[in-house]
Amino acid sequence: GQQVMQIPQYQHVQEGEDFTTYCNSSTTLSNIQWYKQRPGGHPVFLIQLVKSGEVKKQKRLTFQFGEAKKNSSLHITATQTTDVGTYFCAPSGGYQKVTFGTGTKLQVIP
Amino acid sequence: EAQVTQNPRYLITVTGKKLTVTCSQNMNHEYMSWYRQDPGLGLRQIYYSMNVEVTDKGDVPEGYKVSRKEKRNFPLILESPSPNQTSLYFCASSLFGNRLGGEKLFFGSGTQLSVL
Repeated sequence: GQQVMQIPQYQHVQEGEDFTTYCNSSTTLSNIQWYKQRPGGHPVFLIQLVKSGEVKKQKRLTFQFGEAKKNSSLHITATQTTDVGTYFCAPSGGYQKVTFGTGTKLQVIP
Repeated sequence: EAQVTQNPRYLITVTGKKLTVTCSQNMNHEYMSWYRQDPGLGLRQIYYSMNVEVTDKGDVPEGYKVSRKEKRNFPLILESPSPNQTSLYFCASSLFGNRLGGEKLFFGSGTQLSVL
C-alpha cells in the first residue's frame, strides 16, 4: 500500500504555543484530507487540499499542500485545550482506497 | 440526523467465536469502508465497498469478511477471531467514494473489540 509517514507521533505543548504536524508520502498525491479525533471519539473531517502549493485556513488552523504534492502540514497557532486530540492526514493517490497517516497525538498543557 | 451507526460499542469475545459488527448509514451513501485503529499504526483500511454487491480489500483484509447486500448496511464479520484482532474498529461512509470531488468520510462512533 501507499507509504505515509506522519510526524511527530506525539506532541505536548503549553497552551498558547504553536503546533505543527507533517504528513509525507512516498508517491505523488491526488489530494489530501485532514481529520481530527478527540479522545474517545471518532475521526471528524477538517479539510481537503487538492492543488499544488495550496494553503487553506480555518481560524487558528493552517493547512498546506506541498508544491510536489507529496507532503502536507497542519499548523495550529496559539493552541487551546480544545485542540487536544489526534490529527490524521489521509492522502489519496487514486480513487477508492483511503490510506491514513499514523496520526499525531496533541496534548495541550493548561 | 445524518449518521453512521455501529454496534456494539464494546465487545469482549474469545478466540474462535464468530462475531459480526454492524454498520448502518442513513445518508444514502454509496461508499462504505471499515478501518481498524491501533496505537502507533493509525487507521488502516480493512475493506471498502463502492456500492451494493461491490466490495474490495483494503490494506489489512486477512481474517475479515464483509458483505454489502443493501446500500445502508456494511457488516464486518470475523469468522474466527484471534487476539491480534483486538482493536478499535471504525466504519465510515461517503457519498460516492470520489475523493477528487471533495467528499469527506463520515465515521461511526467505533467498536472496541477485545479477543481473549
